[in-house]
Amino acid sequence: DVKVTQSSRYLVKRTGEKVFLECVQDMDHENMFWYRQDPGLGLRLIYFSYDVKMKEKGDIPEGYSVSREKKERFSLILESASTNQTSMYLCASSIAGGPVAGELFFGEGSRLTVL
Amino acid sequence: RKEVEQDPGPFNVPEGATVAFNCTYSNSASQSFFWYRQDCRKEPKLLMSVYSSGNEDGRFTAQLNRASQYISLLIRDSKLSDSATYLCVVKTPGGYQKVTFGTGTKLQVIP
Repeated sequence: DVKVTQSSRYLVKRTGEKVFLECVQDMDHENMFWYRQDPGLGLRLIYFSYDVKMKEKGDIPEGYSVSREKKERFSLILESASTNQTSMYLCASSIAGGPVAGELFFGEGSRLTVL
Repeated sequence: RKEVEQDPGPFNVPEGATVAFNCTYSNSASQSFFWYRQDCRKEPKLLMSVYSSGNEDGRFTAQLNRASQYISLLIRDSKLSDSATYLCVVKTPGGYQKVTFGTGTKLQVIP
């Protein structure tokens, strides 16, 4: 069974803290994505990666960075968390060719609250 | 205008009813279309792709109307387990792997 695992389901952080969100997939997928989901705004792409050490900005990359040192792992980093980054963060993966060639598989999400 | 628009609902329908959702997209060059389902506090999962000729999967039928730039999802004989939010997803040109999610339509099937 395909699996995308996000390290933390719920996090509470303070403004200014550095936050790491980890995502691991066991499907040997080339592509990995980080989205955030907010009420009324839907899912918005933050960053994606199509290969190890490769990354591309999505629609809302400001305030975020990512790291992909191994094929199965894609990390999202908030260098200095702010209250407007309170959200649900969803990691996803797909085969090469992306969502057009194959479906997106999502992790269960990490709900981050920044106080 | 949003790239992908959906009626947020909620649509409250009795069991056994037929319900249809529409999703409009603004970019006429959009290439691929999908419906995802998201249960409450869960991750989205692919329900079905939408093909130009329309396609059916059991009680679910997806249609594409390029001329009017919308896709639709029809659910027949609604079950309680169909209660979820249905996300319209459109692949638009203008960037690598660019897909745009609608904000979702909430369906509540009531006994």
